[in-house]
Amino acid sequence: AQTVTQSQPEMSVQEAETVTLSCTYDTSESDYYLFWYKQPPSRQMILVIRQEAYKQQNATENRFSVNFQKAAKSFSLKISDSQLGDAAMYFCAYSLPGGGADGLTFGKGTHLIIQP
Amino acid sequence: DAGVIQSPRHEVTEMGQEVTLRCKPISGHNSLFWYRQTMMRGLELLIYFNNNVPIDDSGMPEDRFSAKMPNASFSTLKIQPSEPRDSAVYFCASRRMTGSPLHFGNGTRLTVT
Repeated sequence: AQTVTQSQPEMSVQEAETVTLSCTYDTSESDYYLFWYKQPPSRQMILVIRQEAYKQQNATENRFSVNFQKAAKSFSLKISDSQLGDAAMYFCAYSLPGGGADGLTFGKGTHLIIQP
Repeated sequence: DAGVIQSPRHEVTEMGQEVTLRCKPISGHNSLFWYRQTMMRGLELLIYFNNNVPIDDSGMPEDRFSAKMPNASFSTLKIQPSEPRDSAVYFCASRRMTGSPLHFGNGTRLTVT
């Protein structure tokens, strides 16, 4: 079974600074998808970024970027120029490309605090 | 695009009562997922459907839980009888195709007293 581990239950960063959230996963598959989701206090689950395992180039979305290390099974999220609105729970998730149980497997989440 | 629509947003019920949670996926999405979120266990996949057919229900905790998808635009998650330990936020999500992101509804917060 695939597992996703987020080792930082909570992170704190000053506004405008950069923060990196870590995520590791365990799989024997070579083709899969990785995601970061954000959950603010409103509890809405918002997609932040998506990475396809067969692509070596790290995905970026504005201030959000990932460091995907396939051999190390690591998928960290970097948030640059942190803003107060970035405060939320962040979940790393893994998905197989299809067939069988291909729903998202989530990590336990990292609570990100932005200090003004 | 109206997004995934869940109802009700909040549900408070007494132990032993039947609870039905509802979900309308995004039009054109062919997969639908039900998740449960608690502080202790995080986000757990309960069941998912492809083209209205249940594919994997191994996450359904016990026989008290059942889910249906009678057509492409509607799904229900039913708990009968409900118990206090069922208290959680239940999310429905849909996806256009394998590998594409899941789009989540706003969730139903269930409290069983």
